[in-house]
Amino acid sequence: KQEVTQIPAALSVPEGENLVLNCSFTDSAIYNLQWFRQDPGKGLTSLLLIQSSQREQTSGRLNASLDKSSGRSTLYIAASQPGDSATYLCAVGSSNTGKLIFGQGTTLQVKP
Amino acid sequence: GAVVSQHPSRVICKSGTSVKIECRSLDFQATTMFWYRQFPKQSLMLMATSNEGSKATYEQGVEKDKFLINHASLTLSTLTVTSAHPEDSSFYICSAWTSGVTDTQYFGPGTRLTVL
Repeated sequence: KQEVTQIPAALSVPEGENLVLNCSFTDSAIYNLQWFRQDPGKGLTSLLLIQSSQREQTSGRLNASLDKSSGRSTLYIAASQPGDSATYLCAVGSSNTGKLIFGQGTTLQVKP
Repeated sequence: GAVVSQHPSRVICKSGTSVKIECRSLDFQATTMFWYRQFPKQSLMLMATSNEGSKATYEQGVEKDKFLINHASLTLSTLTVTSAHPEDSSFYICSAWTSGVTDTQYFGPGTRLTVL
């Protein structure tokens, strides 16, 4: 059974810092991996999707990497801003059925 | 990106009543809709997978007679929490997805259910 873990659970950084969020999964036979952002009391916004054949994806200040063999993904946020404060969720798709297994999330606070 | 709406956004009800939550894909047709629940400070837990025109597939531990799912069209799925109790209070989120078109799921804004 696939399990997804995110470390740390919470993170507080000063504005401008570069930071890395970690996601690990137990079964390397994944279909894809996605990173989402969730603001308090809101739904999810998709940030980046990495297919199993890819190593990384970039969007603006965000870069997500995938290492299937070690069961890890990282989300790198460059030059963090207070507006980046949110909970970041990693989700693994194990097949082409669309089903996702979510990690517990990392709650990020960027202080001005 | 595609837009998914949920209605209502917030509902408070008395114990024993039933509550219906709607999930609509506004600008695309979704072959599949997923229903999740999220407890405070916890992650999303998949409850069921709903395919248009067929019965929903429930995850282990989710009572299908309590959480009734109907996916009558390619743009609408409903989740009915029957005989709600305080322990059903949670944040319910749906997502919409189309097989073979995109791997990205589009999430609704969620519905906060509070059962008194």
